[in-house]
Amino acid sequence: DGGITQSPKYLFRKEGQNVTLSCEQNLNHDAMYWYRQDPGQGLRLIYYSQIVNDFQKGDIAEGYSVSREKKESFPLTVTSAQKNPTAFYLCASSSPDITNTEAFFGQGTRLTVV
Amino acid sequence: RKEVEQDPGPFNVPEGATVAFNCTYSNSASQSFFWYRQDCRKEPKLLMSVYSSGNEDGRFTAQLNRASQYISLLIRDSKLSDSATYLCVVNNNNAGKSTFGDGTTLTVKP
Repeated sequence: DGGITQSPKYLFRKEGQNVTLSCEQNLNHDAMYWYRQDPGQGLRLIYYSQIVNDFQKGDIAEGYSVSREKKESFPLTVTSAQKNPTAFYLCASSSPDITNTEAFFGQGTRLTVV
Repeated sequence: RKEVEQDPGPFNVPEGATVAFNCTYSNSASQSFFWYRQDCRKEPKLLMSVYSSGNEDGRFTAQLNRASQYISLLIRDSKLSDSATYLCVVNNNNAGKSTFGDGTTLTVKP
């Protein structure tokens, strides 16, 4: 079955550490996205990528980095420069060039700084 | 101005009420439109696509107004289980990008 997979589901990080969140899709989607969601809040775009080896900053890119070396994979690194990283992180993918094709989300990674 | 803006909410309605959400988009070249539902601590999932002629799925009706650049979601006879956050998603095929709204939270009370 095609889908989008995030791992891990829960992640604990010590202050000052970098951590990388995984996002893999086998839907052959060109575009992939990373969102952050805080309790009771909406989605905020961190980074997105429309094609391999290219990505753009979203609204809250500071303290985060991404790579898109393969179409299927779009890992997100939360660096020590991100001052308040505790949040729910969602990865999504879509093929917006195909009419009426919806986006899919992973199950999310809940990151907690300890 | 944001590319996609939703009613800020939250919406608190009694069971059986009819409630409508709107979502405006700024890019007139947008071509595909969707409504998603997100339950607490879960990922958003597709509720329904929005077609030019409007479409209905049981108690849910989605409409598109290209002239005014907005989509709407109408929920009739609200149930407690409809309590969730509803997000609109707009695809710009030419730009190769999907843009997600912030979401509108609905709470249906007994």
